[in-house]
Amino acid sequence: GAVVSQHPSWVICKSGTSVKIECRSLDFQATTMFWYRQFPKQSLMLMATSNEGSKATYEQGVEKDKFLINHASLTLSTLTVTSAHPEDSSFYICSVRTGGLYIQYFGAGTRLSVL
Amino acid sequence: KQEVTQIPAALSVPEGENLVLNCSFTDSAIYNLQWFRQDPGKGLTSLLLIQSSQREQTSGRLNASLDKSSGRSTLYIAASQPGDSATYLCAVTMDSNYQLIWGAGTKLIIKP
Repeated sequence: GAVVSQHPSWVICKSGTSVKIECRSLDFQATTMFWYRQFPKQSLMLMATSNEGSKATYEQGVEKDKFLINHASLTLSTLTVTSAHPEDSSFYICSVRTGGLYIQYFGAGTRLSVL
Repeated sequence: KQEVTQIPAALSVPEGENLVLNCSFTDSAIYNLQWFRQDPGKGLTSLLLIQSSQREQTSGRLNASLDKSSGRSTLYIAASQPGDSATYLCAVTMDSNYQLIWGAGTKLIIKP
């Protein structure tokens, strides 16, 4: 399977600051990456689909101006949480999808704590 | 709209027991179903993937079954060990758009 690296694994920030999370596909070129959010004891919720070279597609209810996604290369997608607030504290996970088999491989996740 | 439900939400059993985790889904138009393991504060480990045309998959002490028509899947864990303690998630890939729809998970605790 594909190797997906997500960085950082844990970040603590002050309210009002911005945080960038990186998702890298280490061993293959990923045209499509996904960003998920998980609240404690809840299932993963898809936030957006990131396509290389084009704008991300956001799910209903996700603020695109708050959660900026950039997929500038076939191996890197970034999620920037702008002007973070305590309610943005959550576990963020990225995944990459292989084109043929529609299987997703996941990063280890980033725990964001906003004080 | 696809809904994925996992029962029970939590389960605690003594070491050595065999156990079954359940996953149900409302829309049978799925491409595949996957079972994942998530350790506290960590990412996801894919355990088993069942294509829609398959009935079951096995890996070591794990066996996953799929009954697409009834919208059910089970994950059977044989001879449970304390290291099996984790949250187990099931997710279906939709036929229409290949999106993953997730259950809320079953938190499993294996007592030594």
